[in-house]
Amino acid sequence: DADVTQTPRNRITKTGKRIMLECSQTKGHDRMYWYRQDPGLGLRLIYYSFDVKDINKGEISDGYSVSRQAQAKFSLSLESAIPNQTALYFCATSDFKNIQYFGAGTRLSVL
Amino acid sequence: ELKVEQNPLFLSMQEGKNYTIYCNYSTTSDRLYWYRQDPGKSLESLFVLLSNGAVKQEGRLMASLDTKARLSTLHITAAVHDLSATYFCAGPSFYNNNDMRFGAGTRLTVKP
Repeated sequence: DADVTQTPRNRITKTGKRIMLECSQTKGHDRMYWYRQDPGLGLRLIYYSFDVKDINKGEISDGYSVSRQAQAKFSLSLESAIPNQTALYFCATSDFKNIQYFGAGTRLSVL
Repeated sequence: ELKVEQNPLFLSMQEGKNYTIYCNYSTTSDRLYWYRQDPGKSLESLFVLLSNGAVKQEGRLMASLDTKARLSTLHITAAVHDLSATYFCAGPSFYNNNDMRFGAGTRLTVKP
């Protein structure tokens, strides 16, 4: 089984809908992250968390929210999806060297 | 804020040739990371460079870090088709080690 698991793997939704992307990990890391990947832009950090009581905004947090339900679970929500949120979303954890371990990604399309 | 620039963004090379991918970053950083992404897949860690002058090698890939020049390089020796992938460098924001900034990626294609 994958160390970092994302669900769903693909999602198509309509403008204005609320959706949640989920991430769970078995690596035992405290730090978890959400990134989005757009062609030609690399990865950009949305939110990160050190533990269930510590949530931090990243470079592009507007339009997103997160919840850290447990050490192993970190979910990303789009309260009202818009087309420019169409992207590939990655969850990651990191170790003490801050090496990132990524999930398989969720491909989101907002129509 | 840290900005990370990679070049080239696209690289097509023949098997057996050597080439270098460059990663420049805009502010002081004492560490730099390299990742590989295969088409349709996730990112996997290749190297972490933790100090000035650090050099890491794995197979046909060698990465180095020059913190004074704010430059990291990923050198490919005698390329083979299996190295075809997108390579990303990343570094922590100056103010926050957990705010990781990625370059746009270098898409490498190795042709027979």
